[in-house]
Amino acid sequence: DAGVIQSPRHEVTEMGQEVTLRCKPISGHDYLFWYRQTMMRGLELLIYFNNNVPIDDSGMPEDRFSAKMPNASFSTLKIQPSEPRDSAVYFCASSPGPLANEKLFFGSGTQLSVL
Amino acid sequence: DQQVKQNSPSLSVQEGRISILNCDYTNSMFDYFLWYKKYPAEGPTFLISISSIKDKNEDGRFTVFLNKSAKHLSLHIVPSQPGDSAVYFCAAKFSYDKVIFGPGTSLSVIP
Repeated sequence: DAGVIQSPRHEVTEMGQEVTLRCKPISGHDYLFWYRQTMMRGLELLIYFNNNVPIDDSGMPEDRFSAKMPNASFSTLKIQPSEPRDSAVYFCASSPGPLANEKLFFGSGTQLSVL
Repeated sequence: DQQVKQNSPSLSVQEGRISILNCDYTNSMFDYFLWYKKYPAEGPTFLISISSIKDKNEDGRFTVFLNKSAKHLSLHIVPSQPGDSAVYFCAAKFSYDKVIFGPGTSLSVIP
């Protein structure tokens, strides 16, 4: 299995531009999570999906952030317009189910820099 | 307000000695706890977990201890090896399927 695949690995953009991050979860995993890692706050949960349906988006910082999962093999996290404070590493993770011992499988992350 | 806290941002240990990483949580509803390990430029990977009905779980050199009354858990690595140098995240499951992470502790094992 190829694992969770994220693209791009690095993204550099200017303030005000739209940014789209992409994720392909592990096949057969019903849960998909978007996390953001910053020095100040560590790993923050932004949103998660179950069977392509958003379950909890309470971690999405502002309306500038949106996420979609049009099918079981693809999800996007969009920031529009982007701001310098959005600079962070964004991780996608998937999980096979909600059982207590179901661990998360993370992608390698997208390093976002907003200038 | 952080529900999972790791108050030591960094820790240095000599190779062969014990590494102890600490984690505190505030929400008594957490029923499952996990530790993840992260190397630079990689995503976190699962290391070890413990259910709230247990107080200890061991996997090779790694042992996690849970003290529910104190809302505290710790990860022990014995003996520590240079390859253990990484960022360690403590995490807790909230409700049925939501995982909350702490800010992480960077461990350096000195040869």
